[in-house]
Parts: sequence; C-alpha cells; structure tokens
Amino acid sequence: LAKTTQPISMDSYEGQEVNITCSHNNIATNDYITWYQQFPSQGPRFIIQGYKTKVTNEVASLFIPADRKSSTLSLPRVSLSDTAVYYCLVGDISSGSARQLTFGSGTQLTVLP
Amino acid sequence: DTEVTQTPKHLVMGMTNKKSLKCEQHMGHRAMYWYKQKAKKPPELMFVYSYEKLSINESVPSRFSPECPNSSLLNLHLHALQPEDSALYLCASSQGDRGGPREQYFGPGTRLTVT
Repeated sequence: LAKTTQPISMDSYEGQEVNITCSHNNIATNDYITWYQQFPSQGPRFIIQGYKTKVTNEVASLFIPADRKSSTLSLPRVSLSDTAVYYCLVGDISSGSARQLTFGSGTQLTVLP
Repeated sequence: DTEVTQTPKHLVMGMTNKKSLKCEQHMGHRAMYWYKQKAKKPPELMFVYSYEKLSINESVPSRFSPECPNSSLLNLHLHALQPEDSALYLCASSQGDRGGPREQYFGPGTRLTVT
C-alpha cells in the first residue's frame, strides 16, 4: 500500500509559482501518480498524471525523480481561484482494478492577493 | 460530455431508513467508483466496478450495498446507517481499459446526513 504524505497547508501570493511535494516511499512498479484539485463541496478535478520524469500540460507540471519516491506538482503563476485542496493519488487503475488507490492527506493551498 | 452526475445533492435519513444514491456517466467509461469523504479528509475508496462487475470492496460494512445496473449507472443502496456514516459520497468513473487513460472523473457528490 503506497502511503502518501503531503504538507498540510501552503500560502502563496498571486502570480507566484507554487510547488507541492508528495512523498510515496513504497510506490509500486505499476503505480501512476495523479494530482487532483478540490474546492469545497465539489468532487476532485483531475490536474495532471505521470509515471516518471516530467509531465507538463496547460495548467501544471509534474516532476518525478528517478526513484519515484516523491513527486512535485508545480503551478505556475497562481491566482486567487487556485485556492483549493490539492491531493496526490498513487495507484494503478489502468484495467479498472484500482489496486490500492490511496489519496494523500491533501494540501490546502491559499493564494493571497 | 465529460460529466459525472450524482443525485440527490443532499440527503438526510434516519438510522432505520433505506435510501439510494445514484450516479450516471455517458463517457463510455467502463470503471466506476464510490468514495466516502469526511470533512477535511481525503476521499476513501469504497467500491470499484469494472465492466459492470464488482472488482474491489474495501471492507465496507454491509449496510452499504453497491449496484451497477449497466455501464452508465452506479447505485449505492443505504440501509440501517449510523450517524458516523454522515459524509460526502463521491462517484467517479474512468476509461477502465488496460493501458488507457488513468484519470478519474468525479461527480459533485451527495452530502449525506444520518440522524
């Protein structure tokens, strides 16, 4: 079971880059790392997913070192609307088996004006 | 259409009631999930259906009974719940094909209160 650890909270200012790290020391070979954003009383929303090295999409980048025991979500130039809880999820759902899907405890990001 | 819908949005039920939560997606996804989320906690996986068959039950008490009538629908039947079962119940879906996209699409959840 890939236990994940994240910082409880982070503060940032508008326009800054924010990096949130997730530790997952016993990640399994088939596990992917996925990050979700959640606003109050809403379901989580997919941000980005990766297996190794670096992945970038239109909203974020994901950095995964060679040993895959951690990952870092990078949000460029955050705005007030990025204030939310960010979860990292480690597991493999490629065949719908959802082997041991484990959400991290979540990081409350607060963006200040 | 990348939407997962859940009904009802809010539900209040007594400990002797029987109720059902419903989830629907029309993205052609073959894997569907139920999660439970308590306040200020991460979602906890309850059940997974893959191709309409229950593939994972994370040791959930029998007072929660999932059902997948077809590939687009997922139900969670509730009976004899306890106040500690009050939570946000989230449904999610994913493509479910080996080697396919692995992101899950979540619904807005049903806020359940057990009195």
